[in-house]
Amino acid sequence: NAGVMQNPRHLVRRRGQEARLRCSPMKGHSHVYWYRQLPEEGLKFMVYLQKENIIDESGMPKERFSAEFPKEGPSILRIQQVVRGDSAAYFCASSPLAGAANEQFFGPGTRLTVL
Amino acid sequence: AQRVTQPEKLLSVFKGAPVELKCNYSYSGSPELFWYVQYSRQRLQLLLRHISRESIKGFTADLNKGETSFHLKKPFAQEEDSAMYYCALSGFYNAGNMLTFGGGTRLMVKP
Repeated sequence: NAGVMQNPRHLVRRRGQEARLRCSPMKGHSHVYWYRQLPEEGLKFMVYLQKENIIDESGMPKERFSAEFPKEGPSILRIQQVVRGDSAAYFCASSPLAGAANEQFFGPGTRLTVL
Repeated sequence: AQRVTQPEKLLSVFKGAPVELKCNYSYSGSPELFWYVQYSRQRLQLLLRHISRESIKGFTADLNKGETSFHLKKPFAQEEDSAMYYCALSGFYNAGNMLTFGGGTRLMVKP
């Protein structure tokens, strides 16, 4: 099991462009979480998805950000019209089960830089 | 609202010295508490969780509900313990099951 995969590892965009971040959960995991880490800060929850469903998006900005986890393929975090403040590390995590006590397995992250 | 506070951004100790990384939380229900660690150039990984009551790599953490704390301790620090440590909370009745992280503490163990 290769673990949670994220790509690209580094992404550079100019202001106004779109950023697409991909996350492939561990095999057998149907729960995916996205977190954002701004410089010098801890990780902040953005969105929680199961296959084809958004369960909790309370941490995701209402505008420009969207997420999906289709029946086939990776989960995608999409940021439209990026601004400098979107520069951060974006981490994806997956777990096999729901439940607060279940371990989440993290990917290596995508570092987004907005010029 | 749930919150996790790690008051120290940096903790520097000598090899063999005791280590305590502080973590305080606020949560109205019954939380699950975790410590995650990120070694240099590696991904974030679970170190231990309070429900397991384990000792991992010599580290232990006790949940103190009275003081709302979950401090991470190790009696004798090793150089390989140098890493970023994050305390995290998950709400037992939280439908989202997301983790709320503290700001992290960088532990540096000097030879």
